[in-house]
Amino acid sequence: DADVTQTPRNRITKTGKRIMLECSQTKGHDRMYWYRQDPGLGLRLIYYSFDVKDINKGEISDGYSVSRQAQAKFSLSLESAIPNQTALYFCATSDSTHIQPQHFGDGTRLSIL
Amino acid sequence: EDKVVQSPLSLVVHEGDTVTLNCSYEVTNFRSLLWYKQEKKAPTFLFMLTSSGIEKKSGRLSSILDKKELFSILNITATQTGDSAIYLCAGGGSNYKLTFGKGTLLTVNP
Repeated sequence: DADVTQTPRNRITKTGKRIMLECSQTKGHDRMYWYRQDPGLGLRLIYYSFDVKDINKGEISDGYSVSRQAQAKFSLSLESAIPNQTALYFCATSDSTHIQPQHFGDGTRLSIL
Repeated sequence: EDKVVQSPLSLVVHEGDTVTLNCSYEVTNFRSLLWYKQEKKAPTFLFMLTSSGIEKKSGRLSSILDKKELFSILNITATQTGDSAIYLCAGGGSNYKLTFGKGTLLTVNP
């Protein structure tokens, strides 16, 4: 089983719909992150959370919200999806002890028509 | 604003060639430089560098960091078709966030 699991893996929806992407992890990490990846733009940070009570905006948080339901669960919501939110979304986790690499889920490919 | 720039953005080589991928960074309160390999799905971790001049090596891959000149390189020797991927570089500061570059798309032809 994957350590960082994202659901759904693929989603096609229409403009204006509310979408929730979910991430769960079995690594026991405190820190969790949401990124989007667009061709030619690399990975950009949307939101991050260092524990259940700590949520922070990343560089491109407009149009998104998050919820940290438990240490192991971090969900990303698009309240009213728009076509330019079509992208590949990744969840990542890292340990809170000192400097540690982030570990990624397999991604959710989201298409908004 | 933190910035990470990778070059080249894409590269096509033949099996057996040696490649060098470049990464320059401007990261506030810099702590670490990370390299990831991304094939079809999730980026997978390759190296984390925190000290200048100390080479990290894993098989045919190696990487080194220069904190004075603010850059890192990733070398791949004797390339194989399985090395074809996007290679991502990321800089980490004291706030434990990572800033990613746009990546280098490496294609290794047989």
